[in-house]
Amino acid sequence: AQKVTQAQTEISVVEKEDVTLDCVYETRDTTYYLFWYKQPPSGELVFLIRRNSFDEQNEISGRYSWNFQKSTSSFNFTITASQVVDSAVYFCALSEAYAGNNRKLIWGLGTSLAVNP
Amino acid sequence: GAGVSQSPRYKVAKRGQDVALRCDPISGHVSLFWYQQALGQGPEFLTYFQNEAQLDKSGLPSDRFFAERPEGSVSTLKIQRTQQEDSAVYLCASSLNRDLYEQYFGPGTRLTVT
Repeated sequence: AQKVTQAQTEISVVEKEDVTLDCVYETRDTTYYLFWYKQPPSGELVFLIRRNSFDEQNEISGRYSWNFQKSTSSFNFTITASQVVDSAVYFCALSEAYAGNNRKLIWGLGTSLAVNP
Repeated sequence: GAGVSQSPRYKVAKRGQDVALRCDPISGHVSLFWYQQALGQGPEFLTYFQNEAQLDKSGLPSDRFFAERPEGSVSTLKIQRTQQEDSAVYLCASSLNRDLYEQYFGPGTRLTVT
């Protein structure tokens, strides 16, 4: 069965600190997609990144970076020089790539990040 | 361009009432998803449409839940005889095509059943 685990329930940091959000997944599939979404206090989920299982190259987008390690089934997310606006709940999600009629995402429970001034 | 919109944003229903939640996906998006998010939890899949066809409804918690997308655009999630455990945020998402590209989410409808 597919499963996503985000072991960190809440993280609190001071502005400008770097912070890493962990995501560990389980799947029997060899081809799958991984996602990160941000949910600010307003409630709307915002897409951050999609990564397919064949692409283990790490990605950087501004202050955000993602470290995908297939060997440890992890897809961790790092925010460099955090800002107050980064305060949100961050979700990691997983889906099969060839799912037939089943296109659903399997979500972790989320990590609530508080960045304090 | 316009994103996914949902209405109403908030709904209070008395136990036993029927409710209808609307989702307007991004124009041209083929795939549409409904999720339920309880407080402090991640979204839980309810159902998936590709155009007007409901291809997966395995996440609907009971036969009181019904979703439709008759013209392949706007979708409605209906909950009959609401119960307190139905209280949650109901999220709608759309995706460009049948392949699993990123899903774009609406702001959600917060349903409170009293």
